[in-house]
Amino acid sequence: GNSVTQMEGPVTLSEEAFLTINCTYTATGYPSLFWYVQYPGEGLQLLLKATKADDKGSNKGFEATYRKETTSFHLEKGSVQVSDSAVYFCALSVQNSGYALNFGKGTSLLVTP
Amino acid sequence: DAGVIQSPRHEVTEMGQEVTLRCKPISGHNSLFWYRQTMMRGLELLIYFNNNVPIDDSGMPEDRFSAKMPNASFSTLKIQPSEPRDSAVYFCASSLGVWQTETQYFGPGTRLLVL
Repeated sequence: GNSVTQMEGPVTLSEEAFLTINCTYTATGYPSLFWYVQYPGEGLQLLLKATKADDKGSNKGFEATYRKETTSFHLEKGSVQVSDSAVYFCALSVQNSGYALNFGKGTSLLVTP
Repeated sequence: DAGVIQSPRHEVTEMGQEVTLRCKPISGHNSLFWYRQTMMRGLELLIYFNNNVPIDDSGMPEDRFSAKMPNASFSTLKIQPSEPRDSAVYFCASSLGVWQTETQYFGPGTRLLVL
């Protein structure tokens, strides 16, 4: 089947620290990979995506590289800000699942001043 | 663009009552998705539509749940009768089409509490 595993949270970092949130996947087929972010009280919004192996998605200082050999799509940011505090979801979409998104459990990030 | 609109934002009801959640997708989007978010199970797809036609409802928990999309600009998710275990945040999302690479745009969600 198709599934996404991401690191458990919460993750607490000081402002300007380096962030890594691990995400690995299992898919029957060739998936597209996504990171969505959910700010408190809001719906999810796309942060970045990658649709083929070795692609790097990037947005707002965040980046993630589609690694087919390790089935991973880790999210990184060099210097986090308080405003990055949110829940981050890794997700995949693959044709044999009808293109619906399979989400990980989410990782809560808290950035302190 | 106003984005995906959901109503109500919050709903508190008693067990056994009917609950109707509403969604207006982004204009021009052909696909609409209903998700449920709980602490225990995370985000789960309930059903999705393409061009107003239900494509996959395998995630709908049971017969108490039903969803309709009478036109391209409106969808409802109904729970009848509601139970406390239905308490969750329900999200509607829309996308241009049903493609593997498509971005889904989420509404703000409806927070449902069934007492």
